Amino acid sequence: DAGVIQSPRHEVTEMGQEVTLRCKPISGHNSLFWYRQTMMRGLELLIYFNNNVPIDDSGMPEDRFSAKMPNASFSTLKIQPSEPRDSAVYFCASSLGHATNEKLFFGSGTQLSVL
Amino acid sequence: GESVGLHLPTLSVQEGDNSIINCAYSNSASDYFIWYKQESGKGPQFIIDIRSNMDKRQGQRVTVLLNKTVKHLSLQIAATQPGDSAVYFCAESLYNQGGKLIFGQGTELSVKP
Repeated sequence: DAGVIQSPRHEVTEMGQEVTLRCKPISGHNSLFWYRQTMMRGLELLIYFNNNVPIDDSGMPEDRFSAKMPNASFSTLKIQPSEPRDSAVYFCASSLGHATNEKLFFGSGTQLSVL
Repeated sequence: GESVGLHLPTLSVQEGDNSIINCAYSNSASDYFIWYKQESGKGPQFIIDIRSNMDKRQGQRVTVLLNKTVKHLSLQIAATQPGDSAVYFCAESLYNQGGKLIFGQGTELSVKP
């Protein structure tokens, strides 16, 4: 299995632009998570899905952030408009079951820089 | 709010020695704990997990100890190797908050040859 696949690996954009991050979870996994990592705040859970349905988006910082999971093999995290403070590494993770208290498999992340 | 923290932000050990990375958690209701290793430029990688009905769990060269009395979690790495150099995160699951994994800030382990 290729693991969780994220794209792009790096994204550099200008303030105000729309950014779309993509994730392909491990086949057969039922839960998908989006995390953001910064030096100041560490790993923060933004949103997670069970069976493609958003369960908890309380970690999404603002309305500028949105996430979708149109099918079991694809999810997007969109930031519109982007701001310099959104610069971080964004990780997607998936897990086999429906519970959140089980091990997650992380992708390699997208390094986002907003200038 | 509740948080998971690490006592030591950096740890330097000699190759071949054993390493101990510590983690304190604040919510006695947490029922699941997990350790991740993150190498530079990569995503966190699962190492080992433990549920609150256990005190100890062993893997390959790693052992996790859970002390619920003092709400302390540790990761022991035997015969530390240069490839173990990374940042290590503990995370707890707060069942009464939806069971979401909450990560600590991480400890950087540096292995000297």
